[in-house]
Amino acid sequence: AQSVTQLGSHVSVSEGALVLLRCNYSSSVPPYLFWYVQYPNQGLQLLLKYTTGATLVKGINGFEAEFKKSETSFHLTKPSAHMSDAAEYFCAVSETAGGFKTIFGAGTRLFVKA
Amino acid sequence: DAGVIQSPRHEVTEMGQEVTLRCKPISGHDYLFWYRQTMMRGLELLIYFNNNVPIDDSGMPEDRFSAKMPNASFSTLKIQPSEPRDSAVYFCASSLGGLAGLEQYFGPGTRLTVT
Repeated sequence: AQSVTQLGSHVSVSEGALVLLRCNYSSSVPPYLFWYVQYPNQGLQLLLKYTTGATLVKGINGFEAEFKKSETSFHLTKPSAHMSDAAEYFCAVSETAGGFKTIFGAGTRLFVKA
Repeated sequence: DAGVIQSPRHEVTEMGQEVTLRCKPISGHDYLFWYRQTMMRGLELLIYFNNNVPIDDSGMPEDRFSAKMPNASFSTLKIQPSEPRDSAVYFCASSLGGLAGLEQYFGPGTRLTVT
């Protein structure tokens, strides 16, 4: 069975600092990996996705993530945090055998200090 | 496109009452998902449909919960009778399906409070 572990339920950074949100996955087949962001009182929206091909994936709002098969990781980064990045971030893996179920991590809340 | 539409946005009801949550997926999307989000349990998949057919309902917590998708543009999630522990935000999401359409598009959610 596939699973996702997000390291750290809360991460706090200063404005302009590097953002690093960690995600490790477990999958018995090649994974399809996602990062979603949730702003207060809103639904989740896709930041970026990895399906096949280039392992460094760029998303919206300056975020990117790198798929590292040897480390079973898909960490999310952004070089310089902005106040508007404060939100909750979810890593997810899709299971495509027999359906298209997506397993979400527990989420990491990002705080950005002025 | 208007995106995934959910109604109502907020629902407050008394324990024992029936609650019906509604969802209109994005036109052309073949998959529809119902999730529940709470502080304690995070985001939980309740059930999902493919072409209006329920594929996996293993996340439905109890028989008090039921979901239907009578056509491609409408789905309901019903709780009868409701209990205080059902208080949560319920999200509907849709996707195209297939390897090119794995990403899900979420609605704004329905915040349910059962007193």
